Amino acid sequence: GAGVSQSPSNKVTEKGKDVELRCDPISGHTALYWYRQSLGQGLEFLIYFQGNSAPDKSGLPSDRFSAERTGGSVSTLTIQRTQQEDSAVYLCASSLEPGIGNTIYFGEGSWLTVV
Amino acid sequence: AQSVTQPDIHITVSEGASLELRCNYSYGATPYLFWYVQSPGQGLQLLLKYFSGDTLVQGIKGFEAEFKRSQSSFNLRKPSVHWSDAAEYFCAVLGGSYIPTFGRGTSLIVHP
Repeated sequence: GAGVSQSPSNKVTEKGKDVELRCDPISGHTALYWYRQSLGQGLEFLIYFQGNSAPDKSGLPSDRFSAERTGGSVSTLTIQRTQQEDSAVYLCASSLEPGIGNTIYFGEGSWLTVV
Repeated sequence: AQSVTQPDIHITVSEGASLELRCNYSYGATPYLFWYVQSPGQGLQLLLKYFSGDTLVQGIKGFEAEFKRSQSSFNLRKPSVHWSDAAEYFCAVLGGSYIPTFGRGTSLIVHP
């Protein structure tokens, strides 16, 4: 597609349920990022993938959060046993091979509400 | 470590007035700096970026930003604001890694 595609755009889930959020990056982009945006907060880094390298998971807030990237393209962010504090917009972004000249492009986000 | 501070949570301006959004960064060397805009319900769009060279950077939609090393700042400016500029603005810094750090954002409100 032309841009970074995320699904679902909106998700309401009950506390304790698992959710999966999907990101389809721009074709040819090897770098993929997940950020979380809570109300009134900035963007909080979650995880970074680059090609076939091991992902940088240093931003994941707890072991309930995990992400994978299959075939170097589509990524899925999974939140297990969701809590109300997980309610946020989850933003995915991608770029060409990381370098100072490469722009990071963002998707429109997945709005997660835990009730 | 790298960090970004956007001291203003909200800024209100009248349409046609000039605008300056503040951004201060912390990083031990010269960082790479970005401004993004987020309209309601949209993703983030890059306005401009600074990597090196001329400290005054021109971006899209009539925005510009100036890198001031002595003040560790990268403020965003626009000489005349339009109602369509109402949005959330994020400053970001990229230091020693490939992972940008974002500020908390400044919400711009434009009065007619």
